[in-house]
Amino acid sequence: NAGVTQTPKFQVLKTGQSMTLQCAQDMNHNSMYWYRQDPGMGLRLIYYSASEGTTDKGEVPNGYNVSRLNKREFSLRLESAAPSQTSVYFCASSEARTEETQYFGPGTRLLVL
Amino acid sequence: QKEVEQNSGPLSVPEGAIASLNCTYSDRGSQSFFWYRQYSGKSPELIMSIYSNGDKEDGRFTAQLNKASQYVSLLIRDSQPSDSATYLCAVRPWANNLFFGTGTRLTVIP
Repeated sequence: NAGVTQTPKFQVLKTGQSMTLQCAQDMNHNSMYWYRQDPGMGLRLIYYSASEGTTDKGEVPNGYNVSRLNKREFSLRLESAAPSQTSVYFCASSEARTEETQYFGPGTRLLVL
Repeated sequence: QKEVEQNSGPLSVPEGAIASLNCTYSDRGSQSFFWYRQYSGKSPELIMSIYSNGDKEDGRFTAQLNKASQYVSLLIRDSQPSDSATYLCAVRPWANNLFFGTGTRLTVIP
């Protein structure tokens, strides 16, 4: 089992460009999450999907959109990238939203110039 | 006020010593508490969870919870250089999402 996979691993964008970060899990988990991690700020939840077909805003949703494509895949889209979105993005999954263990993907490092 | 507060460190301990990591949280209704370990350039991985007041031991790791003081700690006994990492405290208020602290960077000196 690959667990949680993310693509790409690293991306450089110019301000105003758009991109989609992909995430997939093969653990048959119901819940999936997108976090960003910034120095001195810790991990902050952007969006989550408690189950297939549902998505909800987290702590810092502005500037992002998400799609729960199916049970396995949860994508994060930046429509018009800004330098403030330079960060490391982690996707995670868990069996249920209240499940204690969230499994994290390897992360995507995004630099917006 | 942040939901979860941690001392960012760095915390340096000699090999074989006890490392003590601390975390405070603001929501008195919080029910679940977690410690994640994150190696440099890697993703977080869960090492301990605790739900009740008191101590919970797992190998060299002991998590301690004091809900009255809104305080969680992690003790690492017989610290090894491989324990050098950033330790993230995470708290889940009732039926809510996880809130993470900024992490404490631990360095174990051989």
